Amino acid sequence: GAGVSQTPSNKVTEKGKYVELRCDPISGHTALYWYRQSLGQGPEFLIYFQGTGAADDSGLPNDRFFAVRPEGSVSTLKIQRTERGDSAVYLCASSLVGSGTYNEQFFGPGTRLTVL
Amino acid sequence: AQSVTQPDIHITVSEGASLELRCNYSYGATPYLFWYVQSPGQGLQLLLKYFSGDTLVQGIKGFEAEFKRSQSSFNLRKPSVHWSDAAEYFCAVGSRGSQGNLIFGKGTKLSVKP
Repeated sequence: GAGVSQTPSNKVTEKGKYVELRCDPISGHTALYWYRQSLGQGPEFLIYFQGTGAADDSGLPNDRFFAVRPEGSVSTLKIQRTERGDSAVYLCASSLVGSGTYNEQFFGPGTRLTVL
Repeated sequence: AQSVTQPDIHITVSEGASLELRCNYSYGATPYLFWYVQSPGQGLQLLLKYFSGDTLVQGIKGFEAEFKRSQSSFNLRKPSVHWSDAAEYFCAVGSRGSQGNLIFGKGTKLSVKP
């Protein structure tokens, strides 16, 4: 079946602009995660959704970053007033959620964001 | 605070040689432990995971890892490396009792010499 997809694969924007990054999780996966991977670093957690609600947004770096998942499927990560330091690969992952067990997170290919 | 350390930024091995990638974690209890591989332009793929039980876990592509509580380590091994194993490898920990975020190390880039 289809895996996690992310669009666009690449996004170049200018400092101060607004961007939206989209994630389509695996069908039926109720948990969705956003991570950011800067050059030479491992992925860093941003936010986690269970269904439509953000269960943990402790990784969002500041209030310029916001994410939504209005229907419990597709999610959009929104970045306002972009800064050059926001340049990174933004990864999305999804998983089944079951009680008592940990479910594997399946990752998408990422969106490479470049802020000029 | 939870953290993951991968001491080796870049490792080069000859094809057919054995491989060990190191991972140390800092966590208040035994976490969930994972190894992921990332090839250029590809998403992260899970190689193996440890939750409990047998401390030697087998994964895909011939990889295995051993959890050593006394050393807070979860090193990844492969007895004979193939050229297609060249990629970046990430160790990660997840919190028990939560379905939430993973904490990743900075990764080890593996190069394979013919």
